[in-house]
Amino acid sequence: DAKTTQPTSMDCAEGRAANLPCNHSTISGNEYVYWYRQIHSQGPQYIIHGLKNNETNEMASLIITEDRKSSTLILPHATLRDTAVYYCIVRVRDTGRRALTFGSGTRLQVQP
Amino acid sequence: GAVVSQHPSWVICKSGTSVKIECRSLDFQATTMFWYRQFPKQSLMLMATSNEGSKATYEQGVEKDKFLINHASLTLSTLTVTSAHPEDSSFYICSARTGNEKLFFGSGTQLSVL
Repeated sequence: DAKTTQPTSMDCAEGRAANLPCNHSTISGNEYVYWYRQIHSQGPQYIIHGLKNNETNEMASLIITEDRKSSTLILPHATLRDTAVYYCIVRVRDTGRRALTFGSGTRLQVQP
Repeated sequence: GAVVSQHPSWVICKSGTSVKIECRSLDFQATTMFWYRQFPKQSLMLMATSNEGSKATYEQGVEKDKFLINHASLTLSTLTVTSAHPEDSSFYICSARTGNEKLFFGSGTQLSVL
């Protein structure tokens, strides 16, 4: 799995968009970008994933650069409940036999 | 969406006793489940991969005789911490993958060994 680099922490004002960057300069052509988050004392929660096209769902948007070396997770209107650690993970899709490997993630603090 | 149920949410036990943690996939069958451990302020560390009907695969440095994993059915995996000691106090999390490539996680179990 390609290595990812994320800022250690970020702050965001409630109601504003939260933009969480992730660098993955060694990503391979068949590797996807996955985002999960972990709210304090809970298990991680899947947010979104993508290969090369931008993706959007009810939780967030994922913007992947054209060269695929970096991506940004966007929470369009952050709320206090979005305070969590956000993990960017790059890996190939497989049959489900391999676990996810978590890095340090970005600790997002949404301020009132 | 898919749900993974983990019990108990928290447990306190005396040193030397054993603790069992259950992980259930409620609305899908999971041939493979994963167990993680997380210490305060740290990221999740994979402990083992649990395969239905066969022996678990443990990560390097994880004692298989101490952390017993059983995956007897397609919806249930259990982790038993045997002869628990204070250094085993941690947040334990299970996960399972559905057929559409998403991994779902249990809510975690906070283990405190006195």
